[in-house]
Amino acid sequence: DIQMTQSPSTLSASVGDRVTITCRASQSISSWLAWYQQKPGKAPKLLIHKASNLESGVPPRFSGSGSGTEFTLTISSLQPDDFATYYCQQYNSYSGTFGQGTKVEIK
Amino acid sequence: QVHLVQSGPEVKKPGASVTVSCKASGNTFASYGISWVRQAPGQGLEWMGWISVYNYKTNYAQKLQGRVTLTTDASTTTVYMELRSLRSDDTAVYYCAQGHSYDAFDIWGQGTMVTVSS
Repeated sequence: DIQMTQSPSTLSASVGDRVTITCRASQSISSWLAWYQQKPGKAPKLLIHKASNLESGVPPRFSGSGSGTEFTLTISSLQPDDFATYYCQQYNSYSGTFGQGTKVEIK
Repeated sequence: QVHLVQSGPEVKKPGASVTVSCKASGNTFASYGISWVRQAPGQGLEWMGWISVYNYKTNYAQKLQGRVTLTTDASTTTVYMELRSLRSDDTAVYYCAQGHSYDAFDIWGQGTMVTVSS
């Protein structure tokens, strides 16, 4: 299976900060990458698909970029509702592996 | 919009098997496939496998090959996940999600807690 590595594992930030999370794939996945937000006790929520496509209803402060093996999720101005754990996921033809997650905490 | 409704919590002994169901509301599958993802307490998300609801082809995570089986009943728009030879580290919340290869997971079930304990 393709391995996905996220960094950092934990991120402390304040409301209004610009936040960037990085995800690296062990081999090229083209643009078959998604980002999810998960809050405690809840199912994950799809934010971005195909590396840079914003899911319907997701605020535009979220954006994604990258292709091949290097990807980023950016939150342009962190809001109180954004404190959560974020996961990247590759979903090519054979598997759908997730990164280990990045917890965004209040500074 | 499709909703995915999963079966209730399970408590099993080590060595046993568990089957969790995932029913698509509206008697239709809106997408090509259904996937299963689990999350152990305090841990991250782990992809388990997926099944095409049209040709029934499956792909499983290498780690779970031989222990997990996904099946689908098109007549009831229900997908089943069976996990065998349960161990304590299989204790987790199990999620089904609408999604497959080249198709991000846009709709999720509510999750099913499976506890493995002697």
